[in-house]
Amino acid sequence: SQTIHQWPATLVQPVGSPLSLECTVEGTSNPNLYWYRQAAGRGLQLLFYSVGIGQISSEVPQNLSASRPQDRQFILSSKKLLLSDSGFYLCAWSPVGGANVLTFGAGSRLTVL
Amino acid sequence: AQKITQTQPGMFVQEKEAVTLDCTYDTSDQSYGLFWYKQPSSGEMIFLIYQGSYDEQNATEGRYSLNFQKARKSANLVISASQLGDSAMYFCAMREGYGGANSKLTFGKGITLSVRP
Repeated sequence: SQTIHQWPATLVQPVGSPLSLECTVEGTSNPNLYWYRQAAGRGLQLLFYSVGIGQISSEVPQNLSASRPQDRQFILSSKKLLLSDSGFYLCAWSPVGGANVLTFGAGSRLTVL
Repeated sequence: AQKITQTQPGMFVQEKEAVTLDCTYDTSDQSYGLFWYKQPSSGEMIFLIYQGSYDEQNATEGRYSLNFQKARKSANLVISASQLGDSAMYFCAMREGYGGANSKLTFGKGITLSVRP
């Protein structure tokens, strides 16, 4: 069966520090991968998605970047965090084709102070 | 214009009763998909139910059913026999076009459901 792992679960970082959130998927090949952000009490905003190694599409201009160094690994990064980067970050995967049902990781809660 | 609209600020339901959570959508695509997800306080997003735009029958999954009214562009979630564990935030989402390599979901702002014992 497929599983998705996301870490760290919680992170408190000072403004201006770097960020790296990691997501890995097991039990499937060539998944579509996604990073969403959820601000407090709000809906989910799509940040990045990837259809293959090294292929990254950005949905909104921002202080963040994403990379996919391996087929089942998706990394969200920042060189210098802003206060506005605080939020709940969710990684998700879906199989290629079909209904595109997303399966989410447990999420990473980032607080920038 | 918002693609997914969830306007109910918060819903309350008595345990064992049914509840309907509203969702309207906006798209010019003929092929699309509609999803409902549940987010308990732990934060994880849990997939509940899916409806394709060409599906003639309303989708059902256990106690969940999707009341799909294509002409009205609505996709309301109906939860029957509410349980205390149903207390959570519920999100409606839409995929425009056919599922494929560049498919992505757009989410509404969510509805908070509280089940009273």
